[in-house]
Amino acid sequence: KAGVTQTPRYLIKTRGQQVTLSCSPISGHRSVSWYQQTPGQGLQFLFEYFSETQRNKGNFPGRFSGRQFSNSRSEMNVSTLELGDSALYLCASRPGQGGGETQYFGPGTRLLVL
Amino acid sequence: TQLLEQSPQFLSIQEGENLTVYCNSSSVFSSLQWYRQEPGEGPVLLVTVVTGGEVKKLKRLTFQFGDARKDSSLHITAAQTGDTGLYLCAGAIVGTYKYIFGTGTRLKVLA
Repeated sequence: KAGVTQTPRYLIKTRGQQVTLSCSPISGHRSVSWYQQTPGQGLQFLFEYFSETQRNKGNFPGRFSGRQFSNSRSEMNVSTLELGDSALYLCASRPGQGGGETQYFGPGTRLLVL
Repeated sequence: TQLLEQSPQFLSIQEGENLTVYCNSSSVFSSLQWYRQEPGEGPVLLVTVVTGGEVKKLKRLTFQFGDARKDSSLHITAAQTGDTGLYLCAGAIVGTYKYIFGTGTRLKVLA
């Protein structure tokens, strides 16, 4: 079974621009979660999508948004980029039915905002 | 607020030493995972524990899930330089769809 894939792996943008990151979950997984990881703040939860609906949300500004498609692939968008948005963005998938599920991570997208 | 506290936050030890990392919460988990992460990469799953009191061994790594399913520990025997990395515990809170992460333990094993 193929793992979680994320594209692109690396991205350089300038302040004020917007960016879209993509995540393809493990086949059969309907839950996709996004995380931001920085050296100072650790792993921070952005949001979770399940069956095309946002099911959980972290404490990030509205500049961070996401969506999920019918094939469970998900995209995350950050508008009006700030220097502080430079981070490793991780996507993770799991079946999403609750219970003793395991979440699997993709390799991440490293975003650098100049 | 549901928290998963890990200790210690940082650990620097010599090769060959033993160590234990703890993960504690007031929440009950339906499952708990341990991950290891290298810089710039996504966390890689080490183990999933599901049953209270469960003990799982993965070569030199021993994982334990508390009886009440609120805490877990990771014990490494005879640490090697290849064990260096960030260790994260995470779990699915029982009765919810929430999945929370620990604060992480950064381990450095010196040759």
